[in-house]
Amino acid sequence: AQTVTQSQPEMSVQEAETVTLSCTYDTSESDYYLFWYKQPPSRQMILVIRQEAYKQQNATENRFSVNFQKAAKSFSLKISDSQLGDAAMYFCAYRGNYNNNDMRFGAGTRLTVKP
Amino acid sequence: DAGVIQSPRHEVTEMGQEVTLRCKPISGHDYLFWYRQTMMRGLELLIYFNNNVPIDDSGMPEDRFSAKMPNASFSTLKIQPSEPRDSAVYFCASSLRPGGLYEQYFGPGTRLTVT
Repeated sequence: AQTVTQSQPEMSVQEAETVTLSCTYDTSESDYYLFWYKQPPSRQMILVIRQEAYKQQNATENRFSVNFQKAAKSFSLKISDSQLGDAAMYFCAYRGNYNNNDMRFGAGTRLTVKP
Repeated sequence: DAGVIQSPRHEVTEMGQEVTLRCKPISGHDYLFWYRQTMMRGLELLIYFNNNVPIDDSGMPEDRFSAKMPNASFSTLKIQPSEPRDSAVYFCASSLRPGGLYEQYFGPGTRLTVT
């Protein structure tokens, strides 16, 4: 079964600085999809960024970018110019191509942004 | 677009009582998912529907849990009888298409407390 590991339960960053959240996963599939979701205190799960495994180019969405290393099965999230509103739980998620409705989530990383 | 709507936002009940959680997916979305989030187990998929039909309920913890989708705009998750270990945040999500990069849109969740 696919597993998603986020090894950093908590991270903090100074406002305007850059922070990287780690995510690794385990799979035997060659084609799959990876996601980062943000969960602020409101509890709403919000999609931040997504990546297809067969695309080598790293996805970017404004201040958010990923470092996708397929061979290492690593999918880290970089937040540049951190803002107070970035403070939230961040979840890494995996969706395989075989059972493509089963999205597996990591345990989450709580990000604190210091003013 | 109102997004995925869940009710109630908070539910407190006593052990042994029946609990019904409600969800209205985004109009036009053919897929609906129920998740449970706890500190111990993270975010787990309980069941999902396609065109109102349950497709995979392997994540439903036990027979006390049941889910229905009588029409395209409404789904319920019922727990009968409820137990303290059912205390969690329950999310409903909907998606336009299965798998791939298609985003699952989450509702705000229902925080269930069973005393």
